[in-house]
Amino acid sequence: NAGVMQNPRHLVRRRGQEARLRCSPMKGHSHVYWYRQLPEEGLKFMVYLQKENIIDESGMPKERFSAEFPKEGPSILRIQQVVRGDSAAYFCASSAGGPVPETQYFGPGTRLLVL
Amino acid sequence: GENVEQHPSTLSVQEGDSAVIKCTYSDSASNYFPWYKQELGKRPQLIIDIRSNVGEKKDQRIAVTLNKTAKHFSLHITETQPEDSAVYFCAGSFQKLVFGTGTRLLVSP
Repeated sequence: NAGVMQNPRHLVRRRGQEARLRCSPMKGHSHVYWYRQLPEEGLKFMVYLQKENIIDESGMPKERFSAEFPKEGPSILRIQQVVRGDSAAYFCASSAGGPVPETQYFGPGTRLLVL
Repeated sequence: GENVEQHPSTLSVQEGDSAVIKCTYSDSASNYFPWYKQELGKRPQLIIDIRSNVGEKKDQRIAVTLNKTAKHFSLHITETQPEDSAVYFCAGSFQKLVFGTGTRLLVSP
């Protein structure tokens, strides 16, 4: 039973380029969450998605960042025109969803380095 | 907005001692409280969780207590071992997880 998958595991971009981070949830999970972890800091919520819907994007920066979870395929976190401050580990988590909070399982993360 | 505070930020204990990490939360709607362990360069891994209808939960050497009235919950690790050394994060959840700032636990042999 494959866990949450993320790719790439490491991503290097120059300032101004675009970064695309992918997350495939655990089998049977339809809810995806993205979190950002700056070096030596905790995890900060960014966005919560269900298939084809953004449920809560209160943690997403207003500009340059977008997320989607299409009907088919992985969830994508897209960062346009990256800046050095975007360097961080980006984790996605998935859950089965439902009326009560379900356990969230984390992927291995994508470590983004902006040069 | 929701806020979760976590103390202490660092904790050093001798092998075999107990370790206690405490968290408080602000959102009274939070009803799920997981604890994650994160080793250097690795993903957060769930070690125990508790829901708001339960006051205490135990799993071998790990226990979590929840006081809904006071809005605080604690992680207790007994008989600590060097492999328990890691950063521990508490979180409160209604839907999204709001994390505490982490506790770096160091268990010395």
